[in-house]
Amino acid sequence: SQQGEEDPQALSIQEGENATMNCSYKTSINNLQWYRQNSGRGLVHLILIRSNEREKHSGRLRVTLDTSKKSSSLLITASRAADTASYFCASNQGGKLIFGQGTELSVKP
Amino acid sequence: DVKVTQSSRYLVKRTGEKVFLECVQDMDHENMFWYRQDPGLGLRLIYFSYDVKMKEKGDIPEGYSVSREKKERFSLILESASTNQTSMYLCASRSTAGTGFEKEQYFGPGTRLTVT
Repeated sequence: SQQGEEDPQALSIQEGENATMNCSYKTSINNLQWYRQNSGRGLVHLILIRSNEREKHSGRLRVTLDTSKKSSSLLITASRAADTASYFCASNQGGKLIFGQGTELSVKP
Repeated sequence: DVKVTQSSRYLVKRTGEKVFLECVQDMDHENMFWYRQDPGLGLRLIYFSYDVKMKEKGDIPEGYSVSREKKERFSLILESASTNQTSMYLCASRSTAGTGFEKEQYFGPGTRLTVT
């Protein structure tokens, strides 16, 4: 399977805590993207990190990329109940996105 | 804001029926995609289209076909629906301006299809 893997599959934290999700992929990439999906809805793009970048920030989001290990992580700082959703990484391989299976994040108020 | 719309949020069809799922985007994007999403399997690419009249098979094209006669519209067709095609179907579009195929995709809200 070409699909990437995400870890953990599910994560439950309290509001204000940080949430870290990890992603691994299998082949060389142009970039890696993270998406969010609220229950039963479409995906929304969060952040994109290019293959020559190691770290990127956007608001409360921090993404790292280690191409030697073929892995990425998404950190959400100071989480809020509204961050409750599924989060997917997607590796861009020659223009096609290969999605991980997702991490289901639950942030309790 | 980019808007990607899908013709139905929920759809129930019978085995053997021909099913049409429509997707429309309003941002003049060149690329369009159809995925299906199943629990534990994430999103899998069914078909994609780089531009009008063009189509390419994704990872799981069997049992599906597509049509792209106009730039803004990409249709997914289930020729003879089967119960194993019960799934959430997501359409997406992407601009190729500037950095080509490196940009993010914009997704529609999804169609939850049940085949009985």
